[in-house]
Amino acid sequence: DTAVSQTPKYLVTQMGNDKSIKCEQNLGHDTMYWYKQDSKKFLKIMFSYNNKELIINETVPNRFSPKSPDKAHLNLHINSLELGDSAVYFCASSQERGYTIYFGEGSWLTVV
Amino acid sequence: EDQVTQSPEALRLQEGESSSLNCSYTVSGLRGLFWYRQDPGKGPEFLFTLYSAGEEKEKERLKATLTKKESFLHITAPKPEDSATYLCAVSGNTGFQKLVFGTGTRLLVSP
Repeated sequence: DTAVSQTPKYLVTQMGNDKSIKCEQNLGHDTMYWYKQDSKKFLKIMFSYNNKELIINETVPNRFSPKSPDKAHLNLHINSLELGDSAVYFCASSQERGYTIYFGEGSWLTVV
Repeated sequence: EDQVTQSPEALRLQEGESSSLNCSYTVSGLRGLFWYRQDPGKGPEFLFTLYSAGEEKEKERLKATLTKKESFLHITAPKPEDSATYLCAVSGNTGFQKLVFGTGTRLLVSP
């Protein structure tokens, strides 16, 4: 059983399109995240949700909108995709007061 | 601003050749220092959490140590399957939910 699963794994799309990445965790955690890993492999937090409530928003462009329908799901919608959005996006989860963040396998987004 | 610097960027070892990876950090009120392993095409896999200076943790051939300014990941008698990128991250006063990562050390262990 995959603990943190995200779809799609690979996504190639044109500039200006809108796309979504979905994430689900079956660990019973109450906090979920989106991280972005750029071409230099630098991993940086984008958003964090706790019990469906946004708690961290790290100066991400408004074109990125996370949505958490329930504690087990956190989706990332991206409007008007730009070339610079090409990266690997990782979903992750943890307990609110837990010390370990568990990552999904990543979604490779390529904007052409 | 919290910051993590890892060295070296890349490390090539022969099987059985022990070595250490370094993680230097500056953080406002350390809550935890984390080590992750990342294989190509995969997400980071949790290895260790260290909370205070002097703490050590071990797992198979890996041992993580922590001082007030840096952490080391010691690899004893590595095997080719230990080849991966090792990521260090810290969380500070903003809470455990926000990890600040270093850029990682790419380790290649040759048979």
